[in-house]
Amino acid sequence: NAGVTQTPKFRVLKTGQSMTLLCAQDMNHEYMYWYRQDPGMGLRLIHYSVGEGTTAKGEVPDGYNVSRLKKQNFLLGLESAAPSQTSVYFCASSYVFDSLNTEAFFGQGTRLTVV
Amino acid sequence: GESVGLHLPTLSVQEGDNSIINCAYSNSASDYFIWYKQESGKGPQFIIDIRSNMDKRQGQRVTVLLNKTVKHLSLQIAATQPGDSAVYFCAENARSDSNYQLIWGAGTKLIIKP
Repeated sequence: NAGVTQTPKFRVLKTGQSMTLLCAQDMNHEYMYWYRQDPGMGLRLIHYSVGEGTTAKGEVPDGYNVSRLKKQNFLLGLESAAPSQTSVYFCASSYVFDSLNTEAFFGQGTRLTVV
Repeated sequence: GESVGLHLPTLSVQEGDNSIINCAYSNSASDYFIWYKQESGKGPQFIIDIRSNMDKRQGQRVTVLLNKTVKHLSLQIAATQPGDSAVYFCAENARSDSNYQLIWGAGTKLIIKP
């Protein structure tokens, strides 16, 4: 029962490098989300997807791109990493997102350091 | 309680006592609220939720209270155990372009004293 799986778990990048974070869920959820969490702060939504082939911007989308080519996968890309993107990144998924059922299931997180 | 900033609010409670974690939300139109628990090195985990047409909801050892008049939410944990040590986040459901988005508080760190 894997739930939400993120890869990699840790990564160190040099400024200007690019990378892709992978999120996979096996619960057949429609909605998927990418958050970042900085020390002493709550989660901030980067991008989200309400279904295969669709993506939308969240609260802090700049510097990131996403793709949802398959329902079970949600990719987060950094084209040119900056030190300000040093953070812990969490992926989450949920069945739907409405006032009736909004429970989201989270992955274990990816700790990214940009030097 | 919840606040935005670099210093995480901390609540220390004696093992066995009850804990009350507070949260102030900002959007009077929010109609759904959730509490999450995040243990060290792990992702957040759902604890309990409440809709705006309710003022109280109980789970196993946890109770959430909602006061819409003052836009305040609280999480009560009964008979606190060492395993309750974690950061607790409240989140409000804010509508954006017909899609809901969760707005998260900064979190409160709960420390259990033996």
